[in-house]
Amino acid sequence: QITLKESGPTVVKPAQTLTLTCTFSGFSLSTFGEGVGWIRQPPGKALEWLALIYWDDDTLHSPSLENRFTIKKDTSKNQVLLTVTNMDPVDTATYYCAHRRPRGIAASTPGYFDFWGQGTLVSVSS
Amino acid sequence: EIVLTQSPGTLSLSPGERATLSCRASQIISSNYLAWYQHRPGQPPRLLIYGASTRATGIPDRFSGGGSGTDFTLTITRLEPEDFAVYYCQQYGSSPGTFGQGTRLEIK
Repeated sequence: QITLKESGPTVVKPAQTLTLTCTFSGFSLSTFGEGVGWIRQPPGKALEWLALIYWDDDTLHSPSLENRFTIKKDTSKNQVLLTVTNMDPVDTATYYCAHRRPRGIAASTPGYFDFWGQGTLVSVSS
Repeated sequence: EIVLTQSPGTLSLSPGERATLSCRASQIISSNYLAWYQHRPGQPPRLLIYGASTRATGIPDRFSGGGSGTDFTLTITRLEPEDFAVYYCQQYGSSPGTFGQGTRLEIK
């Protein structure tokens, strides 16, 4: 069974850097086709796709995020990290990590998510 | 970037009725790479449909997806109380894997 769990600070100050960790089990991020993505949901708003990292270290980012978001993986620890620089109150959101289903789709596509973490609420406030 | 527009924004129906949700894309979605998710308060999104029409594991057959190209639908027949939630479509054929703005399905 695949599980994912997000962890990190619940409150950050404006202009600070946020680092969130997604710890997962039930699959290996060194296996062909596997990927983990980050999605967020500001309070009362829609889901927003942020970034994805593939088994081969290739990454995708949303172009609207002004290069503030970086995604990395530590395969030995079964973790994916999301770093967000220059945090702003508009970045207040619940942040989810999710497993990209590897089968039945082209390996180079963003993919869809079949398992999600519970999410972690991050507030940006001075 | 492909923009997904969902309609209606809110749908008010009663248990037992049929719901039809729409998702329209700003460009053709290759290979019908479109997914639907159900999102209940306090829970993570739940995958319902992928490939526009394939139900995910464990999803009841009252949920069905259809469409192709730029126009897609999610149909829920015989609404159950637990079906009242927010529904999102997502295209995953091109980066970024954008979501629609959601349709809120509420009890009438």
